[in-house]
Amino acid sequence: DQQVKQNSPSLSVQEGRISILNCDYTNSMFDYFLWYKKYPAEGPTFLISISSIKDKNEDGRFTVFLNKSAKHLSLHIVPSQPGDSAVYFCAASATAEYGNKLVFGAGTILRVKS
Amino acid sequence: DTGVSQNPRHKITKRGQNVTFRCDPISEHNRLYWYRQTLGQGPEFLTYFQNEAQLEKSRLLSDRFSAERPKGSFSTLEIQRTEQGDSAMYLCATSSGSGTAAYEQYFGPGTRLTVT
Repeated sequence: DQQVKQNSPSLSVQEGRISILNCDYTNSMFDYFLWYKKYPAEGPTFLISISSIKDKNEDGRFTVFLNKSAKHLSLHIVPSQPGDSAVYFCAASATAEYGNKLVFGAGTILRVKS
Repeated sequence: DTGVSQNPRHKITKRGQNVTFRCDPISEHNRLYWYRQTLGQGPEFLTYFQNEAQLEKSRLLSDRFSAERPKGSFSTLEIQRTEQGDSAMYLCATSSGSGTAAYEQYFGPGTRLTVT
């Protein structure tokens, strides 16, 4: 039962262009969403988050959009840089059901070409 | 503050042996989580501590797995009688306990376990 899905295993983008990573979820109890970036041989690094009471959160080049009715969120990276090449994980938390544990998607490999 | 640390980084063991991993959290974080990640998948929740109390365990955590967090500081995860299916990356994450910061978990580099 995959409650968080990242349907694109990989994405390739030219340097300077926009990267859009997508994530869908099925559990309507999720109330907080996060994006993590992971380089090989390292643990996931927290990138940006959004509460379910908002539809957008921006931090520098990174913006996360949340569409609750569609149970969909996306991460926009503008402009994309070669150092952004990594695996990106979407994660969700449902305080009422699960405490603060995170449910992760399978990840999307982003390659930014220079 | 040097972040979350985990030891060892790599462990190779033979099937049937016991292994123990250690996680040292960010000092002011009172919540500590263990996750397991296999190839091509995202991390999966195993267990969670608030200070020294173990508050939740996943169904993934069989009786061969045990975790402790004495005195609410470092934590250990022990796997007894290892099986080849236990081969994975074991990740520790910590967070502070208040407000939205409670959701934002900071991960260590992980311990990669290979069971031969």
